[in-house]
Amino acid sequence: KNEVEQSPQNLTAQEGEFITINCSYSVGISALHWLQQHPGGGIVSLFMLSSGKKKHGRLIATINIQEKHSSLHITASHPRDSAVYICAVIGNTGNQFYFGTGTSLTVIP
Amino acid sequence: NAGVTQTPKFRILKIGQSMTLQCAQDMNHNYMYWYRQDPGMGLKLIYYSVGAGITDKGEVPNGYNVSRSTTEDFPLRLELAAPSQTSVYFCASSYSYHPRTDYTFGSGTRLTVV
Repeated sequence: KNEVEQSPQNLTAQEGEFITINCSYSVGISALHWLQQHPGGGIVSLFMLSSGKKKHGRLIATINIQEKHSSLHITASHPRDSAVYICAVIGNTGNQFYFGTGTSLTVIP
Repeated sequence: NAGVTQTPKFRILKIGQSMTLQCAQDMNHNYMYWYRQDPGMGLKLIYYSVGAGITDKGEVPNGYNVSRSTTEDFPLRLELAAPSQTSVYFCASSYSYHPRTDYTFGSGTRLTVV
């Protein structure tokens, strides 16, 4: 069993829909990252969270440390949001990295 | 700034050949990392470095070597390529090892070993 589990694995949405991607983890963490990987393969860091909530444009990320759960929300989704979204956590010791297998999002016009 | 630059973007190797994947960053980051990404699997840490002259193994170091002679460069060496090393390789860097720092990734190197 992976230390980081994401759901769903695949997601197709109509343009304009509100999207939620979930991440659950089983280890103690010091931080959680949401990454975006575009079809071309490049990876971009979207958020780093250690508590609460962060917002950047149409993207919102939340984390509940007690429940070991994080969500990434996309409001008013757009085809350009189509990508793989990866949840990654850094363990308490600071030198352990755990990655989810990603959620593949396709937004249809 | 270029950020993290990886070369080459694509490469096909024959079994037993060797090659070096290059990674360079121009952000004066102390920490650099090499990951591999296999289909259906999360990224796995191969090696990392906390500064020039210092490297350490990650989760999947077998079959690879690294060096860090300068702050900017962190090449990954495959000595005897094997089909199991077919993967996409990502280099990343960060300013500190503090868990709450942000990370910058390169665009990846897609390697096929045949």
